[in-house]
Amino acid sequence: DAGVIQSPRHEVTEMGQEVTLRCKPISGHNSLFWYRQTMMRGLELLIYFNNNVPIDDSGMPEDRFSAKMPNASFSTLKIQPSEPRDSAVYFCASGPTGGYTEAFFGQGTRLTVV
Amino acid sequence: SQELEQSPQSLIVQEGKNLTINCTSSKTLYGLYWYKQKYGEGLIFLMMLQKGGEEKSHEKITAKLDEKKQQSSLHITASQPSHAGIYLCGADDLNAGGTSYGKLTFGQGTILTVHP
Repeated sequence: DAGVIQSPRHEVTEMGQEVTLRCKPISGHNSLFWYRQTMMRGLELLIYFNNNVPIDDSGMPEDRFSAKMPNASFSTLKIQPSEPRDSAVYFCASGPTGGYTEAFFGQGTRLTVV
Repeated sequence: SQELEQSPQSLIVQEGKNLTINCTSSKTLYGLYWYKQKYGEGLIFLMMLQKGGEEKSHEKITAKLDEKKQQSSLHITASQPSHAGIYLCGADDLNAGGTSYGKLTFGQGTILTVHP
């Protein structure tokens, strides 16, 4: 398996523009997570899905952020409109359902909003 | 929610030296994960600990969970430049008997530099 695949790897956009980050989880994994990593706040969980259903989105910072998982093999994280403080590395991770199982991380998308 | 404190925040060692990174939780740990991250890349899973007193090793890296299950340590023996990176501990965010779906809360990370 190719692992968790994220695209794009790098994104530079202007403030106010819409940004869409994409993730393809590992086949067979039931859980999918979106994390954000910054120097100030470290690695934070934004939202996670189980069997394509959002379970907990309490980490989503604002209404400008939205995430979808239309099927088991694809998820998107959208920011509209984007702001400079959204600049960060966004990671997608997937894992089998249940506690005590490790999550497998993608390579991340480095977002810069200017 | 669970809070994890890692120490030190950064560490610089000479190749061949041993080192230890600590991870302390404000709550009982029911699943403690160690990940490594190289700059610009994703997280690589190292080890997971569940039971009090548990210890696991992989190559030159050993992770332990204390008996009270509130502190974990990661020890690297005879460090090499390939060990350099950011080490993160993550806790499974659930209570005993609960289900977390693998949701993790992470510490701030420890930046390790190994000089040849």
